[in-house]
Amino acid sequence: DIQMTQSPSSLSASVGDRVTITCRASQGISNYLSWFQQKPGKAPKSLIYAASNLQSGVPSRFSGSGSGTDFTLTITNLQPEDFATYYCQQYENYPRTFGGGTKVEIK
Amino acid sequence: EVQLVESGGGLVQPGGSLRLSCAASGFIFSDHYMDWVRQAPGKGLEWVGRSRNKAKSYTTEYAASVKGRFTFSRDESENSLYLQMNSLKTEDTAVYYCARAVVMDGHYYFDYWGQGTLVTVSS
Repeated sequence: DIQMTQSPSSLSASVGDRVTITCRASQGISNYLSWFQQKPGKAPKSLIYAASNLQSGVPSRFSGSGSGTDFTLTITNLQPEDFATYYCQQYENYPRTFGGGTKVEIK
Repeated sequence: EVQLVESGGGLVQPGGSLRLSCAASGFIFSDHYMDWVRQAPGKGLEWVGRSRNKAKSYTTEYAASVKGRFTFSRDESENSLYLQMNSLKTEDTAVYYCARAVVMDGHYYFDYWGQGTLVTVSS
């Protein structure tokens, strides 16, 4: 199975900050990587697919990059509604696997 | 508007069975791959498995942790996906989500998720 490792596991940031979350795959997955946002008690929401493509309706302050084994999710100008947990997921191989999550908290 | 609505969760004893439903609307259900993902209380996301589309004869993939105990099926007339869970274990306690998968470059990624249904396995 492909292991997905996210870092950090949590971070504190202020409104207006730029935040970067990294995700590393245990083997190359090309660009077959998605990012999801989850708020407490809610279902995950799809943010990015194919490493850098925004899902419809996702604000442009979210961006993704990377290929192979190393990926990043960047949120510029952090907004109050962005405080949540973020997960990466590879869809290159079965079983699909997720990173452990990064919780973005208010400083 | 795409909508996915799960139902059927509840409390079940270890060794018992439960069937979850995912009712789909707003898209051609038979054209799409559908996945199940679960989340144990306070934990991260875990992929449960996949039901491919009608063109792929609704073939399936399962995570090792559920293979042989869980079965996916569909009812086209009801636009519904089902998850039959047998021989349930306490570690199957989780919120279960269905998610729609769409294709790019021959690989399928999630776009829409349901709201989830909670399954509690406990005596």
